Amino acid sequence: AQSVTQPDIHITVSEGASLELRCNYSYGATPYLFWYVQSPGQGLQLLLKYFSGDTLVQGIKGFEAEFKRSQSSFNLRKPSVHWSDAAEYFCAVGATTDSWGKLQFGAGTQVVVTP
Amino acid sequence: DAGVTQSPTHLIKTRGQQVTLRCSPKSGHDTVSWYQQALGQGPQFIFQYYEEEERQRGNFPDRFSGHQFPNYSSELNVNALLLGDSALYLCASSLRQGNNQPQHFGDGTRLSIL
Repeated sequence: AQSVTQPDIHITVSEGASLELRCNYSYGATPYLFWYVQSPGQGLQLLLKYFSGDTLVQGIKGFEAEFKRSQSSFNLRKPSVHWSDAAEYFCAVGATTDSWGKLQFGAGTQVVVTP
Repeated sequence: DAGVTQSPTHLIKTRGQQVTLRCSPKSGHDTVSWYQQALGQGPQFIFQYYEEEERQRGNFPDRFSGHQFPNYSSELNVNALLLGDSALYLCASSLRQGNNQPQHFGDGTRLSIL
């Protein structure tokens, strides 16, 4: 069955430290891959996406993600976090065979930033 | 350029009632998808509308229905509300042309069932 797994429910990181959020997927073929961020009381904002090509993808707010086909992973990274990065982060996948673009989301990782 | 707008922001209903949630897509978008996000979980796909027809549906009962209007706006209707329907309902819009267009999300409607 198709699945998206975010192994870390909760991560605490110090301001200025680096951040890495993990995402693993199980799909029949390489899917489209996305990272979204959700601040409290708000909807989802797209950070970055991977469709094909270069496996290192740059996004907004200084985030990047690397697609590793051999590990079925799409991990999100930021070299130096800011207090405003505290939020919930969702990895999402879409099947390349699905022309309608339905997304399947992971359960999310809550990021807390400490001073 | 207005993004995806949803109304109302919050809603409180009781079991057995019916509810209608509304969504206006981002300017230029023609496809609307609805997702249910229960507390502490990721969004779950409900269904998607394009050209006023339901194109895809997730694993939700028939109590969940929708509609898309000629101006691309959409409604989500839920009948016979259950306590388990309490969630944040998110609307997302995209442009149909090209199947790799990212979805843009609204801020959601928080539905509470008493």
